[in-house]
Amino acid sequence: AQTVTQSQPEMSVQEAETVTLSCTYDTSENNYYLFWYKQPPSRQMILVIRQEAYKQQNATENRFSVNFQKAAKSFSLKISDSQLGDTAMYFCAFSAGTYKYIFGTGTRLKVLA
Amino acid sequence: DTGVSQNPRHKITKRGQNVTFRCDPISEHNRLYWYRQTLGQGPEFLTYFQNEAQLEKSRLLSDRFSAERPKGSFSTLEIQRTEQGDSAMYLCASSWEYYEQYFGPGTRLTVT
Repeated sequence: AQTVTQSQPEMSVQEAETVTLSCTYDTSENNYYLFWYKQPPSRQMILVIRQEAYKQQNATENRFSVNFQKAAKSFSLKISDSQLGDTAMYFCAFSAGTYKYIFGTGTRLKVLA
Repeated sequence: DTGVSQNPRHKITKRGQNVTFRCDPISEHNRLYWYRQTLGQGPEFLTYFQNEAQLEKSRLLSDRFSAERPKGSFSTLEIQRTEQGDSAMYLCASSWEYYEQYFGPGTRLTVT
């Protein structure tokens, strides 16, 4: 069975600084997708970034980038130039086969002014 | 398109009552997923549809839960004889094939 682990329940970062959120996963699949979703307080979950396992190049979306280490089964999210609007719960998710998502327990990120 | 919508947004019910939630996916999406999220946890998969066919159900989905997606459009999730342990946020998501899922705002259920 696939599992996703986020070992940092809470993190904080100063505005304009950089922060990295960790995610590890376990799977025997070779083809899969990894995602980071952001869930602001009392708002719906939105996609931050996705990574296809067959791609060696790390995905980047503006201030958000990932460090995908397939052999180590690690998928961390780096947020550069943090903004107050980045305050949210961040969930790492894994998808393969039927493409249902397996989520981690989340990391609560607070950006401090 | 305004995205995935869910109704109601909040539902308070007494133990033993039946409740039904509705999800309207993004119109061109053929896949629809239901998840349950409890406080402090990540969402857990419940079931998914491809068009009108329900293709997978989690073991979390006891026989008190039923979901439908008539004509492959909106979906309903019904919980019969609710229990306090059913209190959670119920999330719906949709996607086109295996592409990324778009989530609705959720229905928060409180069973008293």
